[in-house]
Amino acid sequence: RKEVEQDPGPFNVPEGATVAFNCTYSNSASQSFFWYRQDCRKEPKLLMSVYSSGNEDGRFTAQLNRASQYISLLIRDSKLSDSATYLCVGGGNQFYFGTGTSLTVIP
Amino acid sequence: NAGVTQTPKFRILKIGQSMTLQCTQDMNHNYMYWYRQDPGMGLKLIYYSVGAGITDKGEVPNGYNVSRSTTEDFPLRLELAAPSQTSVYFCASSYRVREETQYFGPGTRLLVL
Repeated sequence: RKEVEQDPGPFNVPEGATVAFNCTYSNSASQSFFWYRQDCRKEPKLLMSVYSSGNEDGRFTAQLNRASQYISLLIRDSKLSDSATYLCVGGGNQFYFGTGTSLTVIP
Repeated sequence: NAGVTQTPKFRILKIGQSMTLQCTQDMNHNYMYWYRQDPGMGLKLIYYSVGAGITDKGEVPNGYNVSRSTTEDFPLRLELAAPSQTSVYFCASSYRVREETQYFGPGTRLLVL
């Protein structure tokens, strides 16, 4: 079983839509969680950390559910510039990356 | 700050050749990492280092070697290139414990034929 699993998509949504991604992790001892964004043929860049109480950064909201072992990312009012692959990351002593969820925002 | 830099950007190797992928960071980070990313796959950790002189294996270390003689540099060595090592290689660094945000270099695309 993979340490971190996420739906690869693709998600194709119109501008202004709200879209949500989920990610599950297998190791209940995992302590830290992040969402990274990766543009085509570029390096991953941190989008946001995920805190137990949930956190928000502008149009982006991240949630952690330890009981069900999943994290989520909600993007409101999608912009064309949000088109990218979103990587879920979790771990304790070592980071594990999900395979990424592809998002395309359509005009 | 330049952040994390990697060279070369792209390289083609023949089977059995060797090469070193260079990685340098100027953020005075203690932790450095090497990942590989295959098409449609997540990043997999090859090796990491918690400081100069200390390295450890990650999830997929076979076929690779690393060294960390300085805080800034963390080269990755491929001794006998194989087609299975065709991938994009990312170097990353973080300041304190491994759970901190990681900053990635632009990547090295390697093709082994």
